[in-house]
Amino acid sequence: DTAVSQTPKYLVTQMGNDKSIKCEQNLGHDTMYWYKQDSKKFLKIMFSYNNKELIINETVPNRFSPKSPDKAHLNLHINSLELGDSAVYFCASSQGGSGVLFGQGTRLTVV
Amino acid sequence: AQTVTQSQPEMSVQEAETVTLSCTYDTSESDYYLFWYKQPPSRQMILVIRQEAYKQQNATENRFSVNFQKAAKSFSLKISDSQLGDAAMYFCAYRSYAGGTSYGKLTFGQGTILTVHP
Repeated sequence: DTAVSQTPKYLVTQMGNDKSIKCEQNLGHDTMYWYKQDSKKFLKIMFSYNNKELIINETVPNRFSPKSPDKAHLNLHINSLELGDSAVYFCASSQGGSGVLFGQGTRLTVV
Repeated sequence: AQTVTQSQPEMSVQEAETVTLSCTYDTSESDYYLFWYKQPPSRQMILVIRQEAYKQQNATENRFSVNFQKAAKSFSLKISDSQLGDAAMYFCAYRSYAGGTSYGKLTFGQGTILTVHP
């Protein structure tokens, strides 16, 4: 009965590759997010979607492209991966003023 | 833009004792939400407690309570009867009330690492 699930949990890939992270929530929430946690544990929002509409795009390189096929899913595709993209990526969701609930995170390592 | 500051990079507490983690924030908004999240070594982000700024009453969730001082823009977390399982990194976060281009966005502090000694 996982609320927000993302796959894979770990991703190791070479520079220049393209990869995707998938996210699904079964909470019926209208809003979904991608957050990035860097090596210093700092968390920052990347994107926010509300009912499949992009609401927030926080100056993320256009190599990162979110896609929301429906309001329960928000995937993140990353082109031409760079060493600096190594981080933990969290998917999350919320409804109205509720707390934002997070997935387990995907640790991306670019080598 | 809103900012959130956690001035304690690390804190420690003895098991069964009480510890308070500090958080201050800066905003020009009058309505907003504040949160504390816990991130154990498993890296899962766990919502600990939520406070609505328009409510004067401090939120409480079992052993976790907050001291919300709106005028001072302060939002501290008190953990009572600390347990070994409370050891984690704790993040304070701010969220605008509704709507606009920052809809739903959480702004996080830098985090405080809490160690619990047996």
